[in-house]
Amino acid sequence: QVQLQQWGAGLLKPSETLSLICAVYGDGGSFSDYYWTWIRQPPGKGPEWIGEINHSGSTNYDPSLKSRVTISVDESKNQFSLNLTSVTAADTAVYYCAALAVAGSFDYWGQGTLVTVSS
Amino acid sequence: QSALTQPASVSGSPGQSITISCTGTSSDVGSYNLVSWYQQHPGKAPKLMIYEGNMRPSGVSNRFSGSKSGNTASLTISGLQAEDEAAYYCCSFAGPSTLGYVFGTGTEVTVL
Repeated sequence: QVQLQQWGAGLLKPSETLSLICAVYGDGGSFSDYYWTWIRQPPGKGPEWIGEINHSGSTNYDPSLKSRVTISVDESKNQFSLNLTSVTAADTAVYYCAALAVAGSFDYWGQGTLVTVSS
Repeated sequence: QSALTQPASVSGSPGQSITISCTGTSSDVGSYNLVSWYQQHPGKAPKLMIYEGNMRPSGVSNRFSGSKSGNTASLTISGLQAEDEAAYYCCSFAGPSTLGYVFGTGTEVTVL
């Protein structure tokens, strides 16, 4: 069983950088068993995959966000993080961290963080 | 990558069965058996209900089942219960062009 707990700033101004951290709790071997992902869900819309990272730091990003996104991992702390630069109102959403299994399913989710971009 | 297409809403009476469709393309749903389904209650994180098209995680009721035909995946809820009222999203691996994932537009299920 895996639990994810996330935190970060919830109110940003345009052009600022969004930063979120997700901590992974669970069985000792679980951190290397998944790809660690960030997903966002704009108000009233479906989820959107942002990107992923594995325990050794290999990343993959959504092409539309690739120029602004960085996902990093700290295996010693069982944590991973999201940085999204130059935010605009279009980046307003609930951001989730999630565990992606080899079966292509997001098995575990964080509680979500509402990030609002407003001047 | 365009979102997968789902009906905006589906409704049914308690005890009935309903089916939610999820239409993609030959580049995503049609090419891979990596379709998953999620249930989301208001204000909550999504919950995995089906993976690899038709597999149920431990703890998910066998009233939920999945299938796929061509570029369309489907989720069937049998014996509809009040607690099934929620939003449902499908998701598929998007293929080698992005190595990412695409979600559906979402379906609101109402239990009458």
